[in-house]
Amino acid sequence: AQRVTQPEKLLSVFKGAPVELKCNYSYSGSPELFWYVQYSRQRLQLLLRHISRESIKGFTADLNKGETSFHLKKPFAQEEDSAMYYCAPLYNQGGKLIFGQGTELSVKP
Amino acid sequence: GAVVSQHPSRVICKSGTSVKIECRSLDFQATTMFWYRQFPKQSLMLMATSNEGSKATYEQGVEKDKFLINHASLTLSTLTVTSAHPEDSSFYICSVAWTATNEKLFFGSGTQLSVL
Repeated sequence: AQRVTQPEKLLSVFKGAPVELKCNYSYSGSPELFWYVQYSRQRLQLLLRHISRESIKGFTADLNKGETSFHLKKPFAQEEDSAMYYCAPLYNQGGKLIFGQGTELSVKP
Repeated sequence: GAVVSQHPSRVICKSGTSVKIECRSLDFQATTMFWYRQFPKQSLMLMATSNEGSKATYEQGVEKDKFLINHASLTLSTLTVTSAHPEDSSFYICSVAWTATNEKLFFGSGTQLSVL
């Protein structure tokens, strides 16, 4: 079954601290992986996709096929990073994004 | 600017009435749109895939007679919640696929439905 797990509902860190938001996905073919972000009172938007290997707002995510993980990382968190983050694998069948439960990141001053 | 326009942003209705939510693709023609439902502090649950010119594909457990989807044009998909009940109260979000492989999604701003 296609499944994605974000084990932390809430992650609270202080400004300047490193942050890692965990994501594990079930293996079903070779899904493409995305991270979406939802800032307060804003619509959901794409943060990054693993295939492009780009860093957005200082965030990076490494795909580990052995561990079926796609953790999101940032070395120095900023207050404006406070938001809901969703890991979303795109499985080939039907081209549907499956969203994880989401992790609320709270960066305190 | 916004790529996807979703309307209305909030609707309150009486139990038993029907509510229509519109999702418009502003910048490009979209053959595929997705409808999600989101409960407070929870993830987005895919309800259905809306295909232009054909029937929508519903996810398991979603009643197609309850949630009617019409995708009559390349820029408009509508979701109609028929005979709404309080348990249908939720946040409904549409998204539009940027590419044919549905890689990049643009999301609407969502519709908060409250059924009294």
